[in-house]
Amino acid sequence: DAKTTQPNSMESNEEEPVHLPCNHSTISGTDYIHWYRQLPSQGPEYVIHGLTSNVNNRMASLAIAEDRKSSTLILHRATLRDAAVYYCILRGNAGNMLTFGGGTRLMVKP
Amino acid sequence: NAGVTQTPKFQVLKTGQSMTLQCAQDMNHNSMYWYRQDPGMGLRLIYYSASEGTTDKGEVPNGYNVSRLNKREFSLRLESAAPSQTSVYFCASSVTTSVIQPLHFGNGTRLTVT
Repeated sequence: DAKTTQPNSMESNEEEPVHLPCNHSTISGTDYIHWYRQLPSQGPEYVIHGLTSNVNNRMASLAIAEDRKSSTLILHRATLRDAAVYYCILRGNAGNMLTFGGGTRLMVKP
Repeated sequence: NAGVTQTPKFQVLKTGQSMTLQCAQDMNHNSMYWYRQDPGMGLRLIYYSASEGTTDKGEVPNGYNVSRLNKREFSLRLESAAPSQTSVYFCASSVTTSVIQPLHFGNGTRLTVT
């Protein structure tokens, strides 16, 4: 599976937008970009996924670069409840099981 | 809807003891998974079951066995626990193993082997 690179940690202020970056320069044409988050003492939670076009849902937006070598998860208005580890994961048809890397720990300040 | 339920929540074992971690889902999903998470690290896949009656190894299967008891239940067994198996274990399910189907996770079993 292609690898992803994320910053180890980021900080944000409450009620401000947050942009979480992910690099995936070796992505293949059939790899989907998935984002999960893990709140303290809980299992991971699905956030969003996309292939080529930008995607929106009630939790977040996913912006995918035109060359697909990077993507950004956007939380439009961070709350204290959004403090979590965010994982960017590529899933393709070859070996399509979820493989979690280190993720980005998001800290939200009141 | 409970989603994915794991039991027990916590367990302490002595080296060499055996135990079974239980997982059940009520979403009528076909596929189920077992992951482990060590401190400060991402999750690693132990075993998965694409559908009832099938199981396959993941990234770190050594020291574990699994049983897909029926469509709802997928158990993970440690036959002879070792300190290296101290970890948090997560069970997950999805409609199928398709790359577009999200996984739904339980809240984990925290296992300590002394």
